[in-house]
Amino acid sequence: ELKVEQNPLFLSMQEGKNYTIYCNYSTTSDRLYWYRQDPGKSLESLFVLLSNGAVKQEGRLMASLDTKARLSTLHITAAVHDLSATYFCAVDIGDDKIIFGKGTRLHILP
Amino acid sequence: DVKVTQSSRYLVKRTGEKVFLECVQDMDHENMFWYRQDPGLGLRLIYFSYDVKMKEKGDIPEGYSVSREKKERFSLILESASTNQTSMYLCASSRWDRGYGYTFGSGTRLTVV
Repeated sequence: ELKVEQNPLFLSMQEGKNYTIYCNYSTTSDRLYWYRQDPGKSLESLFVLLSNGAVKQEGRLMASLDTKARLSTLHITAAVHDLSATYFCAVDIGDDKIIFGKGTRLHILP
Repeated sequence: DVKVTQSSRYLVKRTGEKVFLECVQDMDHENMFWYRQDPGLGLRLIYFSYDVKMKEKGDIPEGYSVSREKKERFSLILESASTNQTSMYLCASSRWDRGYGYTFGSGTRLTVV
């Protein structure tokens, strides 16, 4: 069974702290996506990781992909309240389909 | 600014009604998708299309149909709406090679009463 598992599913953290969200998947894939969703809103693309070892950074967020370990990480540096949202990873499984994780709900406390 | 536009942000329909959800993209994308999102269940793929007049079932196609008569437009049809189809519906599109991932519309929150 295809699985995309995010860990943790809920994270409450203080502003200024660092943390990492993990995304494990059970099938072979060499591309993975990260999305952000604010409450009541749609999904916004954050990162597209297209190969093993890919690393992308935007502001306080950095995403990486290890296709051999079937693992992607989303690292948050010096968190700020504006980063509070739900973050989804999604794995491209071919045949024009991607599978989403359940999402990590991030709550950053001032 | 490239866009995926869903025709309605909020919709309330009665049980048994036929419901049309429209999605239009202006990026000349080949692929288009319909998902529903429910608390605790994440995003589930209903149908997708990789070309005009082509459609493929996703994970939960029952109770739904789709239409893609033009490249830019992908419609989701609830033939006879039921209360268990109350949900957030998200349309997305992508290039054929998914090189930039998916672009999502703003979503339609459908309530069936």
